[in-house]
Amino acid sequence: GDSVTQMEGPVTLSEEAFLTINCTYTATGYPSLFWYVQYPGEGLQLLLKATKADDKGSNKGFEATYRKETTSFHLEKGSVQVSDSAVYFCALSVFTGNQFYFGTGTSLTVIP
Amino acid sequence: GAVVSQHPSWVICKSGTSVKIECRSLDFQATTMFWYRQFPKQSLMLMATSNEGSKATYEQGVEKDKFLINHASLTLSTLTVTSAHPEDSSFYICSAPREQGLSTDTQYFGPGTRLTVL
Repeated sequence: GDSVTQMEGPVTLSEEAFLTINCTYTATGYPSLFWYVQYPGEGLQLLLKATKADDKGSNKGFEATYRKETTSFHLEKGSVQVSDSAVYFCALSVFTGNQFYFGTGTSLTVIP
Repeated sequence: GAVVSQHPSWVICKSGTSVKIECRSLDFQATTMFWYRQFPKQSLMLMATSNEGSKATYEQGVEKDKFLINHASLTLSTLTVTSAHPEDSSFYICSAPREQGLSTDTQYFGPGTRLTVL
């Protein structure tokens, strides 16, 4: 079935460090891929998305490229800030508007 | 932008009572909404798909008689936890897709409702 495997956390980085959170997926169709972020005490927010192979989603300095050959959608940021501390979820949706399949989430803490 | 709200944001109830959680799409209509449950430090688990005008579709292992879902209108879905027990304590989140006329919809998530059953 459809699923998402996400790098386990927690991850602790110093400010301005490089961030990579790995995400791989299994899907029977042609999924759209998403990264959601959950800040402390808040709901899920869409961070970025990609709807087809080789697409790159980007937002707030984060980016992820849809790699069909490796079934991956790794999240990267070149220089993290304290305000990036949150839980990050990788997700996929096979059909438009359908339910999402989420990874387990990766908690990121950025220290000054 | 699209907003999905939930009410209440936090509820505490006694064991054996029922609790209703509302999910509203504030500036768009949603014929379909989704209900998730999130355990501490874990991912979201899809519980059910709420369909306006028809019965909800439950995921395997979710008790439909315990978690009653009613999609009363194009902007409102409710989840009622019946005869709640402490093991039902969790964070419940709803989401709704908004058709954008693009190749895929974006899901908009509510802020969640924390349920604590004493």
